[in-house]
Amino acid sequence: DTGVSQDPRHKITKRGQNVTFRCDPISEHNRLYWYRQTLGQGPEFLTYFQNEAQLEKSRLLSDRFSAERPKGSFSTLEIQRTEQGDSAMYLCASSSTDRVDEKLFFGSGTQLSVL
Amino acid sequence: KQEVTQIPAALSVPEGENLVLNCSFTDSAIYNLQWFRQDPGKGLTSLLLIQSSQREQTSGRLNASLDKSSGRSTLYIAASQPGDSATYLCAVPYNQGGKLIFGQGTELSVKP
Repeated sequence: DTGVSQDPRHKITKRGQNVTFRCDPISEHNRLYWYRQTLGQGPEFLTYFQNEAQLEKSRLLSDRFSAERPKGSFSTLEIQRTEQGDSAMYLCASSSTDRVDEKLFFGSGTQLSVL
Repeated sequence: KQEVTQIPAALSVPEGENLVLNCSFTDSAIYNLQWFRQDPGKGLTSLLLIQSSQREQTSGRLNASLDKSSGRSTLYIAASQPGDSATYLCAVPYNQGGKLIFGQGTELSVKP
């Protein structure tokens, strides 16, 4: 399968714990995006990378959140000192700037529940 | 600031009915518009992408139209089936890059 893969699919954690999610984009895609989605809402942009450079961060991304894409391939999203309000689906997407339309391809997401 | 709205939030139809989902956006200077499908607890699957220069795109029973001047797009689903039950989201790029602004989605239920 050459789609976007995310791990884990589900994560349950206690408030105050740190969690890390991983995203493996489509191999030839140079852009990688993180979105967050709460129940009944559309996804909200968090941050994106072009190759290994983090080009933009939303103000939704508090200082407890950090994302990396060290070699321009996979990416990790870490949340420190989780809060109940962090409970959401975290979606990763990738795209290629070689495409005229720069269509985004999404992974299946990581569902985070903070107890 | 670009805002994307989808109405209705939920729609229930009997199997076989043709239906239209609506998407509106406030800033008509868009590069493209994309429609996605999302099954419960899953990620997003791209259905159709319409470039700003296009007026519509078709894929099987799906047809998406775009009217930039009025800030609207519609997704037409012909001969709906229970397997079409899902949430449908529209999205436009924030700028020329791929960062997307999404609507809230329309949750579609097709009853057998």
